[in-house]
Amino acid sequence: SAVISQKPSRDICQRGTSLTIQCQVDSQVTMMFWYRQQPGQSLTLIATANQGSEATYESGFVIDKFPISRPNLTFSTLTVSNMSPEDSSIYLCSVEDWAADGYTFGSGTRLTVV
Amino acid sequence: GIQVEQSPPDLILQEGANSTLRCNFSDSVNNLQWFHQNPWGQLINLFYIPSGTKQNGRLSATTVATERYSLLYISSSQTTDSGVYFCAVERAQGAQKLVFGQGTRLTINP
Repeated sequence: SAVISQKPSRDICQRGTSLTIQCQVDSQVTMMFWYRQQPGQSLTLIATANQGSEATYESGFVIDKFPISRPNLTFSTLTVSNMSPEDSSIYLCSVEDWAADGYTFGSGTRLTVV
Repeated sequence: GIQVEQSPPDLILQEGANSTLRCNFSDSVNNLQWFHQNPWGQLINLFYIPSGTKQNGRLSATTVATERYSLLYISSSQTTDSGVYFCAVERAQGAQKLVFGQGTRLTINP
């Protein structure tokens, strides 16, 4: 099955700054997905990233706040911009993994904004 | 969009007990997965089960697609089974993406 390396695993950031999260997959994938999990909550899809095109954002998420890059078929970044304490969450990337049946997730980035 | 409801929201059991977690969904799906989120936040894929029954050790799952529900069974619970269990589905029609339920928080006491 696909192996996803996500980093950083955790970070503590000052409000007003930005953090870029990276996901590297060990195989080529068409679509990569970014999720947010707020404290004590479930996972919510932020956006879907296709290589060579702009990401598709879910309702309530905008590109200015969560810009995404997808430069090739194995890599993507999510930036959390102009952070506030409300952005404190776990951010996870995911791919559809045909070898394993279903979706596989990275280990997540635990972000705390102070 | 599709609705995914999990029950119960919280479950506290003694080690060795058995448990059943339920997931109801509101539309036809072509993918249903059960995940376990450990205390470090990592999401572990337990089952890919859009229909039928699967077993993996002490865990098994059944999805009845025609009635739009899935069950996760945990037998002889261990403290390491503690965590949050999520059901997630991909709707058969529409955008390719997983929609998560709110989860069941399972606590196994020694």
